[in-house]
Amino acid sequence: SAVISQKPSRDICQRGTSLTIQCQVDSQVTMMFWYRQQPGQSLTLIATANQGSEATYESGFVIDKFPISRPNLTFSTLTVSNMSPEDSSIYLCSVAEPSYNEQFFGPGTRLTVL
Amino acid sequence: AQSVTQPDIHITVSEGASLELRCNYSYGATPYLFWYVQSPGQGLQLLLKYFSGDTLVQGIKGFEAEFKRSQSSFNLRKPSVHWSDAAEYFCAVGPPGNKLTFGGGTRVLVKP
Repeated sequence: SAVISQKPSRDICQRGTSLTIQCQVDSQVTMMFWYRQQPGQSLTLIATANQGSEATYESGFVIDKFPISRPNLTFSTLTVSNMSPEDSSIYLCSVAEPSYNEQFFGPGTRLTVL
Repeated sequence: AQSVTQPDIHITVSEGASLELRCNYSYGATPYLFWYVQSPGQGLQLLLKYFSGDTLVQGIKGFEAEFKRSQSSFNLRKPSVHWSDAAEYFCAVGPPGNKLTFGGGTRVLVKP
C-alpha cells in the first residue's frame, strides 16, 4: 500500500494568481496521477505525472494551465496557473503500481478562487 | 474508450434498509472495476475491486458487488445501511496500476 500526503490541504486564492500543490508518497511508485473534482462532480483525470519527463495530459487540460513536475519517484507538484473561479475544485493526487492492484488517493487539496 | 455510468445521482435510504447502487461500464477488454467511497471532507477509500474469478466480490464495511458481464454492470449492495454510510460512492474502471475512469457518483443519504 501507499500513504499519500498533500499540501496545502486547502487554500483560498485570488483570481490571476497561481498555486502549487505538493504530493508526497511514503514509498517509490511508478505511476502518479492528478485528478480534479469540481463541486458536486466526479473525478476527472488531469494528467499522468511521469518521472524524468513531461507529464501526459488528458484532453481539455494543457501544460500552460496545469504545469506538473515529478523530480523523483515519491514526489510531484501540480500548479494551477492564472486561476479563475472556475478552478475552484478539489485536486487529488493518486499513485499506482501494477503490483498494487488498486490506486491510492491522497486526502485532496480544496481550492477556492475568489 | 472506457466509460462508467452511475444512473442514480442521489439515493435516500432508511437506516437498516438495504442499499443497491448501480454502475454500468464500457470497456474494450476484461474490465477492472472498483467502488470507492468518499465521506464528507474525506479522501477516497476503496470499498472493493473486481479483476476476475468469482463474480460476487466482498469488500469492507459490509459491502459487496456483483459483476455481470452480459449486462456490463457492477452493482454495489449492502444488506443493512448504517448512518455512517452516508457518503458519495464512485464506480471506476481501469487497468490495475494505471489511470481510472470514474462514474459521476451517487450520493447516499441515510434517514434515521
